[in-house]
Amino acid sequence: KAGVTQTPRYLIKTRGQQVTLSCSPISGHRSVSWYQQTPGQGLQFLFEYFSETQRNKGNFPGRFSGRQFSNSRSEMNVSTLELGDSALYLCASAIIGLGLAEAFFGQGTRLTVV
Amino acid sequence: AQKVTQAQTEISVVEKEDVTLDCVYETRDTTYYLFWYKQPPSGELVFLIRRNSFDEQNEISGRYSWNFQKSTSSFNFTITASQVVDSAVYFCALSEAKDSSYKLIFGSGTRLLVRP
Repeated sequence: KAGVTQTPRYLIKTRGQQVTLSCSPISGHRSVSWYQQTPGQGLQFLFEYFSETQRNKGNFPGRFSGRQFSNSRSEMNVSTLELGDSALYLCASAIIGLGLAEAFFGQGTRLTVV
Repeated sequence: AQKVTQAQTEISVVEKEDVTLDCVYETRDTTYYLFWYKQPPSGELVFLIRRNSFDEQNEISGRYSWNFQKSTSSFNFTITASQVVDSAVYFCALSEAKDSSYKLIFGSGTRLLVRP
């Protein structure tokens, strides 16, 4: 069974640009969550989507947004990139919710903002 | 507030040594879940175990074992006879429920280096 797929794996963007990251969950998983990992802040929750609805959102500015499609694939978008947005962005999928079942993570997208 | 503390930033051991990674958590919920994940250099978080708050039984899986103690709010992870392939960053996490949604609150991680 295929795992969680994140694309692209690496990305370099310039300050002020916007970026879209993609996550394809494991087949049958309806919950997709996004996390940002930085050396300074560690792993921080961005948001969770379930059946195309955002159910939960972390403490990030409005420049960070996401959506989920009917096939459960999810995208996250960061507008007006800042240097501090450089991070590893991880996507996790679960059958229903992270607390109720184990979540499986993708390999992440490493974003570098220059 | 929900919080997970992994006080050990980095641990270095020689192959075949046993090593214990500590995890202390804080939560006001009576029902919660605790997790351990392994992050190898490739970046993905690999699920190791999930434990719910009502199940305090220790668990053993091969060389891995987990000790869950509600009295001390700890969920420690022991690797017996460590191997070089165990080198990775290990994260302890607590699930927080909000309505019908859950999110994971991670500790800061413990980097384990197993030297040959």
